[in-house]
Amino acid sequence: QSVLTQPPSVSGAPGQRVTISCTGSSSNIGAHYDVHWYQQLPGTAPKLLIYGNNNRPSGVPDRFSGSKSGTSASLAITGLQAEDEADYYCQSYDSSLSGSVFGGGTKLTVL
Amino acid sequence: QVQLQESGPGLVKPSETLSLTCTVSGDSISSFYWSWIRQFPGKGLEWIGYIYYSGSTNYNPSLKSRVTISVDTSKTHFSLKLSSVTAADTAVYYCARHRGYSKSDWFDPWGQGTLVTVSS
Repeated sequence: QSVLTQPPSVSGAPGQRVTISCTGSSSNIGAHYDVHWYQQLPGTAPKLLIYGNNNRPSGVPDRFSGSKSGTSASLAITGLQAEDEADYYCQSYDSSLSGSVFGGGTKLTVL
Repeated sequence: QVQLQESGPGLVKPSETLSLTCTVSGDSISSFYWSWIRQFPGKGLEWIGYIYYSGSTNYNPSLKSRVTISVDTSKTHFSLKLSSVTAADTAVYYCARHRGYSKSDWFDPWGQGTLVTVSS
């Protein structure tokens, strides 16, 4: 069982907007540690998508955005495209573990 | 541009030690933290531990008694050893570089991953 909680799956039609939640606790997200997001396409390694809650690395489209509030964070994807179909993971630091923790992952299906 | 490549046996017998190496190319190991992360068949990710180029380490408490991460003196690769493995250690093992700052760092880039199966 993952320390950070994500919905197992979300779906949306092309062009729509979807959000993926990431719920933590007072020892991780709620303790003001940053949240980061990764995209994992089938058969590949996770790739950094959002860092520091809401920053996009070079090359990541501005259709992807992140936010954080309290003990939760969210990843929003607007203008859904077929190529966005992938698994998405959130990650933060946990003071109880003294290390990094991940969400269980969310599978995005583009209908 | 830094690239990471994991290598090691794809099959390990129960109770034996899993040994993997991550070769870093395109940049120096110096001045960065480097982690091992694994992904179980059910897709969940677990951070195993990290090493600083100087050799200092930090391990996931749930694995601490079985894990050793080391960095080679030439600073071109770092390694993972996980002892007394069981079928529950079957996973894809990734190495990754830390970016950012202490307690708010992220992983970028990742290696391509290597599947390790524990079976007799």
